[in-house]
Formats: sequence, C-alpha cells, structure tokens
Amino acid sequence: AQSVAQPEDQVNVAEGNPLTVKCTYSVSGNPYLFWYVQYPNRGLQFLLKYITGDNLVKGSYGFEAEFNKSQTSFHLKKPSALVSDSALYFCAVPGGGNKLTFGTGTQLKVEL
Amino acid sequence: SQTIHQWPATLVQPVGSPLSLECTVEGTSNPNLYWYRQAAGRGLQLLFYSVGIGQISSEVPQNLSASRPQDRQFILSSKKLLLSDSGFYLCAWSGGGGGRDTQYFGPGTRLTVL
Repeated sequence: AQSVAQPEDQVNVAEGNPLTVKCTYSVSGNPYLFWYVQYPNRGLQFLLKYITGDNLVKGSYGFEAEFNKSQTSFHLKKPSALVSDSALYFCAVPGGGNKLTFGTGTQLKVEL
Repeated sequence: SQTIHQWPATLVQPVGSPLSLECTVEGTSNPNLYWYRQAAGRGLQLLFYSVGIGQISSEVPQNLSASRPQDRQFILSSKKLLLSDSGFYLCAWSGGGGGRDTQYFGPGTRLTVL
C-alpha cells in the first residue's frame, strides 16, 4: 500500500531561518508526491507536486521540495521562513484508485 | 479558472437533527469529487468520493451519506447527527486522472453537534 509518514508533529523555526518539514514515502513504482498547506479554519491549498525528472520541485509561496529516491524522502523547504508561513503542512501520495493518502500533518510555527 | 464552493461555512446542530452540506465546482466538467472530515487535531479522513453523477464510493461505514445529483454538485447528508459527527468537512475536486491528479479543496464547513 502507498503511504507517507511525517515524523514531526511540530516544527519551530525563527523568522528568517531556513525551514524543513519532513516527509518519507513508501510506494511501488514511480512516486507522485504532493505537499499541501492548511491555514487555520481554511481548506487545504496545493503547494507543489513531484511527478518525475528534476529532484528539486519549486512551488507556491517560495516553497520547494527535494525528492530523494535513496532515502525515500520528499522534504519541504524554504530558504527564509516568514511568520505567515505558520500553518499545518501535509504531504500526500496517490493511494490507489482515485484517492490521495495524506500524512498526519506537521504544524509549523515560525517565531519572531 | 476553476473554483469550489462549500456552504454553509459554519453550522451548529443538535444531536439527532438532519444534515445537508453542499459543494459545487465551477469551471470544469466531469470532475472527481471528494468529501473529507478533519476531526479536532489534524488528520484527514476520506469519507466519500465520486467519479460521476450518481456514482458514490464510501470509504468509511458511518452515519453519513453522499449524493451527486449533478455533474458539479456533491452533497453530504445525515438523517440523524451524532456528537461524533462534529468536525471540519472539506470538499475537494480533481480531474479525471485518478489519484495522480492534484486535488483542490474548498473552504470547508465547521460542524458542531451539541
């Protein structure tokens, strides 16, 4: 079965510092991988998607994600965090049929 | 461009009352449609999905049902709400490419059952 894991419930980072939100995956075949962000009381917003090709995927709001096949990881990164980046982040993988399987989410808190 | 609407935005209902949440999509045809629930905390639970009018797949046996009376309309219902039905309900759509298509989410409905 396809699955993703987000090992950190919460990540704290100071504004201006680089941030990383971790995701590891378990899939058969070539993976499609997604990152979403959710602000409080809002729906999920699509950030970026890995299909194939370049291991560094650029997305919305200055975020990027690095695909690493040997480590089966797809970590979300941003060079300089903003307080406004504080939100809940989900990685996801196609779960068979027409479904997405989401991770448990990582709460990012960016402090001044 | 495509947009997705959900209403109402918030709802407070007594235990045992009926429920109807509506989701509509604009700017696309024959989308796949999804209902998720997010309980307090963070986890997303897929409740139902639909690949076409009248075609509903249920992921979790429970107190809820879904219908798709029109191509771009998806309705979540209950005849009698339970306390455990409280949560944040999210509708999403995707193209017809299966799970590899990006899903786009609506703004959500916050349901509180008292």
